[in-house]
Amino acid sequence: DVKVTQSSRYLVKRTGEKVFLECVQDMDHENMFWYRQDPGLGLRLIYFSYDVKMKEKGDIPEGYSVSREKKERFSLILESASTNQTSMYLCASTSPDGFNTGELFFGEGSRLTVL
Amino acid sequence: AQSVAQPEDQVNVAEGNPLTVKCTYSVSGNPYLFWYVQYPNRGLQFLLKYITGDNLVKGSYGFEAEFNKSQTSFHLKKPSALVSDSALYFCAVRDNYGQNFVFGPGTRLSVLP
Repeated sequence: DVKVTQSSRYLVKRTGEKVFLECVQDMDHENMFWYRQDPGLGLRLIYFSYDVKMKEKGDIPEGYSVSREKKERFSLILESASTNQTSMYLCASTSPDGFNTGELFFGEGSRLTVL
Repeated sequence: AQSVAQPEDQVNVAEGNPLTVKCTYSVSGNPYLFWYVQYPNRGLQFLLKYITGDNLVKGSYGFEAEFNKSQTSFHLKKPSALVSDSALYFCAVRDNYGQNFVFGPGTRLSVLP
């Protein structure tokens, strides 16, 4: 089974802190994604990556950056956390075929609270 | 631009009754349509997809969905609901030009014993 692991399930940070959210997948997938999930808004795409060292902005990239130094790992970085970044963050991965057929594999999520 | 609407925030159904979770979409080009389920404190799990072919597609856990091009809808259905089906359901769409997925706001399904 595909496993997408997000390193932290729950985090509490202070405004202005730098936050790292880590995601690792074990299926050699080329494509990886970071979404945030907010009630009533569904999932919104922050950034995605089609390959190592490649990144593309999604719909809401402001205040975020990403890093993909290795194929299996995709990190989301909040340079200076703000209270409006309190949310559930979901990482997903898929192969190129999976992208075409819509089969994204999601991690269990990281719930971030910024005080 | 692609968009997905799920007109109901919450759907309640009695165990054993049929259930429907509604989804309508807007996309340029041919739609690729998907349903995902999220159980409490878990990530999303893929349920089923429509890419082409038969308008009625079957997926995991006894769920099925019907693609209706004229009504731009892709409603999720199950003939007999289980309490364990209680979860948050997301409809998603992408077009055939390679754009990324767009997810709906989600519908919370509660199956009452």
